[in-house]
Amino acid sequence: AQKVTQAQTEISVVEKEDVTLDCVYETRDTTYYLFWYKQPPSGELVFLIRRNSFDEQNEISGRYSWNFQKSTSSFNFTITASQVVDSAVYFCALSETGGNTNAGKSTFGDGTTLTVKP
Amino acid sequence: GAGVSQSPSNKVTEKGKDVELRCDPISGHTALYWYRQSLGQGLEFLIYFQGNSAPDKSGLPSDRFSAERTGGSVSTLTIQRTQQEDSAVYLCASSDGRHRDYTFGSGTRLTVV
Repeated sequence: AQKVTQAQTEISVVEKEDVTLDCVYETRDTTYYLFWYKQPPSGELVFLIRRNSFDEQNEISGRYSWNFQKSTSSFNFTITASQVVDSAVYFCALSETGGNTNAGKSTFGDGTTLTVKP
Repeated sequence: GAGVSQSPSNKVTEKGKDVELRCDPISGHTALYWYRQSLGQGLEFLIYFQGNSAPDKSGLPSDRFSAERTGGSVSTLTIQRTQQEDSAVYLCASSDGRHRDYTFGSGTRLTVV
């Protein structure tokens, strides 16, 4: 069974601080995908990134970066120089392929609420 | 369409009534997913469709819940004899079937009184 744990329920930082959101996952599958989604106060979830289990390269996109480590089953998300607009709930998700790479459910963590204060 | 469209955006119903929630995915997206998000909680998987078939309906909480998809497009989630614990935001998402990146709709907020 797949499981995602986001141990940090809420994080509060001051603008321009760096912040890391933790995500730990459990799976028995050897092929899987990991995701991060953002849910701003407006409510609509937005896809941020997908990572394939075969690709452990870290990724950077502007102020966002992701650290994928299979050895610790973690897929952490760092926001550099945080801004008020980064305030949102962030969800980490895992999707096992079970040999089917086309479609399948994702299991979401409970989310981390990030508040960035001016 | 340009995005995933869900209707209604809000629904208040009396306990015991049936409700239908609609999802119109992005045109061409073969996979469609239903999730439920209770207040302050994470996302709970309900069911997903690949085309018109539902390979995984393991998340449907009871036989009061059912869903269908027709023409590989619009999907309807039906809840019969609603209960107060059914109150939640019901989210629909679609993906292109090659990747599992979800595009979510804005959700239907269901309140059972």
